[in-house]
Amino acid sequence: QQQVKQSPQSLIVQKGGISIINCAYENTAFDYFPWYQQFPGKGPALLIAIRPDVSEKKEGRFTISFNKSAKQFSLHIMDSQPGDSATYFCAPTSGGYQKVTFGTGTKLQVIP
Amino acid sequence: GAVVSQHPSRVICKSGTSVKIECRSLDFQATTMFWYRQFPKQSLMLMATSNEGSKATYEQGVEKDKFLINHASLTLSTLTVTSAHPEDSSFYICSALLSAGQETQYFGPGTRLLVL
Repeated sequence: QQQVKQSPQSLIVQKGGISIINCAYENTAFDYFPWYQQFPGKGPALLIAIRPDVSEKKEGRFTISFNKSAKQFSLHIMDSQPGDSATYFCAPTSGGYQKVTFGTGTKLQVIP
Repeated sequence: GAVVSQHPSRVICKSGTSVKIECRSLDFQATTMFWYRQFPKQSLMLMATSNEGSKATYEQGVEKDKFLINHASLTLSTLTVTSAHPEDSSFYICSALLSAGQETQYFGPGTRLLVL
């Protein structure tokens, strides 16, 4: 049973463009919504995260938009760069931040 | 920032042998560590939650006798894959919580296991 679904599975964006990745979840107990970035052969690293009491959070070129009623949140990467090419995972958390459910992943390729 | 290391980074072993993977929090004490498995081009699947000084909590479908976890100190958790078989070949990643109640997990660089 897949509780967390990401779309698209893969994404190709030109340098300078906007990358948008969506995450849909079912479990209403999730209360912390992070995005992780993973480069090949490496562990994931936290990119940005949001709590359900706000609808948007921006950190540099990265923005999370959160829609609680739709049970969705998205990652926007502005001015995408080739160095952003990686796999991105949403990983909503619940239960006192002990239980993490990773999304299916989105492979982003930013072409020059 | 919080740094988590894993050792070894990659290991090749023969079928039937056991392999130990270490996960260390380098600049903080981690009461809770997690172990994940990731197959090629797939997502991370949580295997178990490891708490210092107590038995690990395994996810459904993960054999606790096959994947032995020991969290002996606040900076070290180990995963031992016993009697490894080719289907155990995967990328194993650990993570640690900075402190109790902290929501951010800090991930290690992963260990690539290849069982021949």
